[in-house]
Amino acid sequence: QVQLVQSGAEVKKPGASVKVSCKASGYTFISFYMHWVRQAPGQGLEWMGIINPTTGNIRYAQKFQGRVTMTTDTSTSTVSMELSSLRSGDTAVYYCSRGPGSGKHWFDFWGQGTLVTVSS
Amino acid sequence: QSVLTQPPSASGTPGQRVIISCSGSTSNIGSSTVTWYQQLPGTAPKLLIYSNNQRPSGVPDRFSGSKSGTAASLAISGLQSEDEADYYCAAWDDNLNEGVFGGGTKLTVL
Repeated sequence: QVQLVQSGAEVKKPGASVKVSCKASGYTFISFYMHWVRQAPGQGLEWMGIINPTTGNIRYAQKFQGRVTMTTDTSTSTVSMELSSLRSGDTAVYYCSRGPGSGKHWFDFWGQGTLVTVSS
Repeated sequence: QSVLTQPPSASGTPGQRVIISCSGSTSNIGSSTVTWYQQLPGTAPKLLIYSNNQRPSGVPDRFSGSKSGTAASLAISGLQSEDEADYYCAAWDDNLNEGVFGGGTKLTVL
């Protein structure tokens, strides 16, 4: 069965960086895109970006340009998302989610989420 | 401020039919398919409807989606207590070249 297992919760100070990983299993890793979505406490969902594990092509949301880096490791079927220059507003649960790609922009499986807390 | 607009709340009694709306523009809903997600308290979102009106396997046919122009809707018939959750619509925005979500609708089963 398809599983996306994310790394554990993190507590960071303002100005620091955080890296969240997402290990995929149960399907052919390179056949699907991976998206990152975050959700601040009590708030809605916010799309951060998409990575094509086959080509390495990436598209980041304008809001996060310059602060976010998404990478993929096909040898371990893992994608990672690093967010830098953290501020309190980045406190959120971060999700990886699988997408079919090829113009099909929905997410059929989600990771369990990783809580990132930014606090001095 | 979300790109797609949803009512913040909706409610119904068991057995009723509830409709949740999602409004966008020509650059997103008007030119893309609409997806709906269900998020139960404390859990990750779950794919409910994709490609405007398609249900993944395992999603009851009580859930249905539709789209017309720059608006979409999710209908839930035969409302059950376990349907109490947050519901989000989503689409791709061709102008932003980004994924966009609605602000979410909290459904309460009275």
